[in-house]
Amino acid sequence: GQNIDQPTEMTATEGAIVQINCTYQTSGFNGLFWYQQHAGEAPTFLSYNVLDGLEEKGRFSSFLSRSKGYSYLLLKELQMKDSASYLCAVRAPGTYKYIFGTGTRLKVLA
Amino acid sequence: GAGVSQSPSNKVTEKGKDVELRCDPISGHTALYWYRQSLGQGLEFLIYFQGNSAPDKSGLPSDRFSAERTGGSVSTLTIQRTQQEDSAVYLCASSLQGEAQYFGPGTRLTVL
Repeated sequence: GQNIDQPTEMTATEGAIVQINCTYQTSGFNGLFWYQQHAGEAPTFLSYNVLDGLEEKGRFSSFLSRSKGYSYLLLKELQMKDSASYLCAVRAPGTYKYIFGTGTRLKVLA
Repeated sequence: GAGVSQSPSNKVTEKGKDVELRCDPISGHTALYWYRQSLGQGLEFLIYFQGNSAPDKSGLPSDRFSAERTGGSVSTLTIQRTQQEDSAVYLCASSLQGEAQYFGPGTRLTVL
């Protein structure tokens, strides 16, 4: 079966660093994606990990450990505009179907 | 076009009517996906296309839902005899094989 777990909500302060965790239990693995979704808008692609380790893209970084079925998204120097939902998704092996987590709603406070 | 487009952006219909939702993917993207999202919820997978064929229809909620894709491009999601529980935002996304998905703005469907 396929299952993805993320915290439902997180709160952080402007300028701080926040780490959003994602754990997955799938029958196989073929890549993990992070998306950002502002309220009332469509998701937008943030990052992709297929090998273990850290991928850095400006203020956002994503980490993957395949042996632990674990990923995190790290957001640095938080800005008010980072208030959004962050969705973790795994590509099912042998297909191009993606399984999405329910998302983590991040609130950034001034 | 530059991105994925969907039409209509909003659709209000009466219970029992049929609706058609359209998706124009990014040119050259071979994979196309339909998802449903209810207010405050995650993305519910409905169906995906590889070219014109649909290898996985497992997410379609009932036989009232169907989808097709023609010419490896435009896709239509049809909901017959709509019910109030069908009310949601329907999102379409496209991608190159195995790569990041790019989402359209969605169609907000309201069934009265």
